[in-house]
Amino acid sequence: AQSVSQHNHHVILSEAASLELGCNYSYGGTVNLFWYVQYPGQHLQLLLKYFSGDPLVKGIKGFEAEFIKSKFSFNLRKPSVQWSDTAEYFCAVNAGYGGATNKLIFGTGTLLAVQP
Amino acid sequence: GAGVSQSPSNKVTEKGKDVELRCDPISGHTALYWYRQSLGQGLEFLIYFQGNSAPDKSGLPSDRFSAERTGGSVSTLTIQRTQQEDSAVYLCASSFGLQWGALLSGANVLTFGAGSRLTVL
Repeated sequence: AQSVSQHNHHVILSEAASLELGCNYSYGGTVNLFWYVQYPGQHLQLLLKYFSGDPLVKGIKGFEAEFIKSKFSFNLRKPSVQWSDTAEYFCAVNAGYGGATNKLIFGTGTLLAVQP
Repeated sequence: GAGVSQSPSNKVTEKGKDVELRCDPISGHTALYWYRQSLGQGLEFLIYFQGNSAPDKSGLPSDRFSAERTGGSVSTLTIQRTQQEDSAVYLCASSFGLQWGALLSGANVLTFGAGSRLTVL
């Protein structure tokens, strides 16, 4: 069965600090990988996704993530965070095209607080 | 519609009562998903619809939970004889589904609604 682990549950950073949030998944086949973000009082929205090709994917608001197949990882990064990045971040995986399931499996989330 | 619409946004009920939560997906999206978000638990998958059928209902926590979808559009999640541990935010999401998602973007991207917050007293 697929599963997703997010190692950091709470992260507190100062503005302009660099960010890296860890995400590891367990699934041996082709995967699609996602990061979703939930800003305070708002609904979940897609930050970025990987399905094939270049393992370094760029998302909105300066975020990027790198798919490292050998490590089953899809870590999220941002070189310089802003106060407005305060939110909860969720990593998610589903089996790739032709997989037996169509659902996304989510990690437990990482709550990021950026201090001005 | 322009987005995924869920109602009610908030529901407070007494233990033992039945509740119904409604989801109106994005027009044209054939796939619909229900998730549950609890504090510290992340997003827990409940059930997935493709059209009106539910090929994966593996996440429904008990037989008190059921869901249906009619006309390939609106879905209702029903919780019977609610318990306090049912208190959570119930999220609905929709997508083009794996086939169309693969054709359009190579990935099945889910769009989420704002959720229905259920509190069982």
